[in-house]
Amino acid sequence: KAGVTQTPRYLIKTRGQQVTLSCSPISGHRSVSWYQQTPGQGLQFLFEYFSETQRNKGNFPGRFSGRQFSNSRSEMNVSTLELGDSALYLCASSRSGDENTIYFGEGSWLTVV
Amino acid sequence: AQKVTQAQTEISVVEKEDVTLDCVYETRDTTYYLFWYKQPPSGELVFLIRRNSFDEQNEISGRYSWNFQKSTSSFNFTITASQVVDSAVYFCALMGRGGATNKLIFGTGTLLAVQP
Repeated sequence: KAGVTQTPRYLIKTRGQQVTLSCSPISGHRSVSWYQQTPGQGLQFLFEYFSETQRNKGNFPGRFSGRQFSNSRSEMNVSTLELGDSALYLCASSRSGDENTIYFGEGSWLTVV
Repeated sequence: AQKVTQAQTEISVVEKEDVTLDCVYETRDTTYYLFWYKQPPSGELVFLIRRNSFDEQNEISGRYSWNFQKSTSSFNFTITASQVVDSAVYFCALMGRGGATNKLIFGTGTLLAVQP
């Protein structure tokens, strides 16, 4: 059974650019959430999507956005990148009916220069 | 407010030693879930265990065991006979059920270094 798949795994962007990260959840999982991990702030919740609807959002500026498609795949976008956006972005998925076991992907390492 | 505290920033042990990672949580929810994840250098958060707030039964899985005590709001994790492969950052996390979402609140993590 394939796990949560995130692409790309590594990327380097320049300040001011935008970036789109992709996440394919475990087959059958309908909830997808995103987390940002930095050395200073640790692991922080960005947002969660369920059935193509954003169900919860963390305390991040509007530059951070996401969406979920009908096949449960999700993307997150960060516009007008800042140096502080350099982080590991982790996607997680969970199964409806057993929404309390959350599985994570390997993450996308974003470096902003 | 919900909060998870992992007071141990870094622990170093020698292989075959037992080690306990501490986790203290705060929540006003009567129903909640507690998790432990392992993060190797690759970055992926590997799920280890989930406990429900209404089930205080401790659990053992191979070399791993968990001690959940609601009275002290603690959910500690013990590795018996540690191995070098156990070296990683370990995170404790809390999910409240005040809302119908799967938001995890993480502790700051404990870096475990197992020396050969």
